Amino acid sequence: EDQVTQSPEALRLQEGESSSLNCSYTVSGLRGLFWYRQDPGKGPEFLFTLYSAGEEKEKERLKATLTKKESFLHITAPKPEDSATYLCAVQAGGGSEKLVFGKGTKLTVNP
Amino acid sequence: ETGVTQTPRHLVMGMTNKKSLKCEQHLGHNAMYWYKQSAKKPLELMFVYNFKEQTENNSVPSRFSPECPNSSHLFLHLHTLQPEDSALYLCASSQDIGNIQYFGAGTRLSVL
Repeated sequence: EDQVTQSPEALRLQEGESSSLNCSYTVSGLRGLFWYRQDPGKGPEFLFTLYSAGEEKEKERLKATLTKKESFLHITAPKPEDSATYLCAVQAGGGSEKLVFGKGTKLTVNP
Repeated sequence: ETGVTQTPRHLVMGMTNKKSLKCEQHLGHNAMYWYKQSAKKPLELMFVYNFKEQTENNSVPSRFSPECPNSSHLFLHLHTLQPEDSALYLCASSQDIGNIQYFGAGTRLSVL
């Protein structure tokens, strides 16, 4: 069974304090790993897709990396507006195509 | 208007009521999805439609009935719900099955 585990469940940072969020996964043939950001009262907003181990993608203060067992979302010098819940999802190959989500990491950045 | 629009944003209903959730996408996508998001749980896929045809029903109780009249519109008809069905219901769309999914803001449903 495909599984996604995100850690920590919640993370509090001071503005400017860099850190990383973890997404560990077990999947039968990874087709893609997705990162989303979700603000309170809103739907998830797409951030990145990673397809193969060693791949990295960046957007502003965020950088996502992928290995064969996990993905990291690195946040460099975060700002209060980066506060949100970050969701990780995997898509298995083999025809199912559906996304399996983790429970998310709630990030709070204090000014 | 662009993106994925869901209405209503909030809904309170009794266990004997019948209501419908609506989703409309303005992205020209072919696939649409319904998800359920409950507190402390991961997003749960409920239904998948591709070119108006249902391709997946993730063991969802029959009190939830989806309808997809065309590639731009998706409905979720609700009847005889239970309090444990209270959750955020999210609609998403993608260009085709397996592509990046874009989500609406969701409908917050409370069942009394």
